[in-house]
Amino acid sequence: SQQGEEDPQALSIQEGENATMNCSYKTSINNLQWYRQNSGRGLVHLILIRSNEREKHSGRLRVTLDTSKKSSSLLITASRAADTASYFCAKFNQAGTALIFGKGTTLSVSS
Amino acid sequence: DTAVSQTPKYLVTQMGNDKSIKCEQNLGHDTMYWYKQDSKKFLKIMFSYNNKELIINETVPNRFSPKSPDKAHLNLHINSLELGDSAVYFCASSQTSGGTSDTQYFGPGTRLTVL
Repeated sequence: SQQGEEDPQALSIQEGENATMNCSYKTSINNLQWYRQNSGRGLVHLILIRSNEREKHSGRLRVTLDTSKKSSSLLITASRAADTASYFCAKFNQAGTALIFGKGTTLSVSS
Repeated sequence: DTAVSQTPKYLVTQMGNDKSIKCEQNLGHDTMYWYKQDSKKFLKIMFSYNNKELIINETVPNRFSPKSPDKAHLNLHINSLELGDSAVYFCASSQTSGGTSDTQYFGPGTRLTVL
């Protein structure tokens, strides 16, 4: 399967804490993307990290990529209740024509 | 201005019926997609169209037929609906098909319930 795997499947934290989600994949990549899905909504693109990058930041988000371990992590710092959502990593299929999504991590941030 | 829109948002129907879901994007993108998200939130590609041409047709029953009248629209028609078709269907678009910086823009989803 080309599908990525996120862990943990579910994460519950308090506001202000950091949240770390991990993604592992099996085949080589050009880039890896992270998406957020709020309950009852479509997915929203958060950040893209290329295979030659090791770390990327966007606001309170930090994504790392370790191609030797075929893994990536998404860190959300100083989490807020509004960060409550499901987070998915995604990579292109081998033909480069469609994204393959992981199973997602459901994050709950309580105030 | 909604970038990717879908109608209807909710669809409840009986087994055996035929139904359609419409999708439109106003981003000027060349590629559009249909995804199915099951009850466990697993998201799987169904179809992809690039400039009105089918480029991906995953293992999907032929009861599902996408139609792209122009590159801004990709509709999904489903014949003889079955209980297992109940899911949330997402339309998405991207600038091109693939590419090292291609991100996808998703519609709000259509929740299909087959009774």
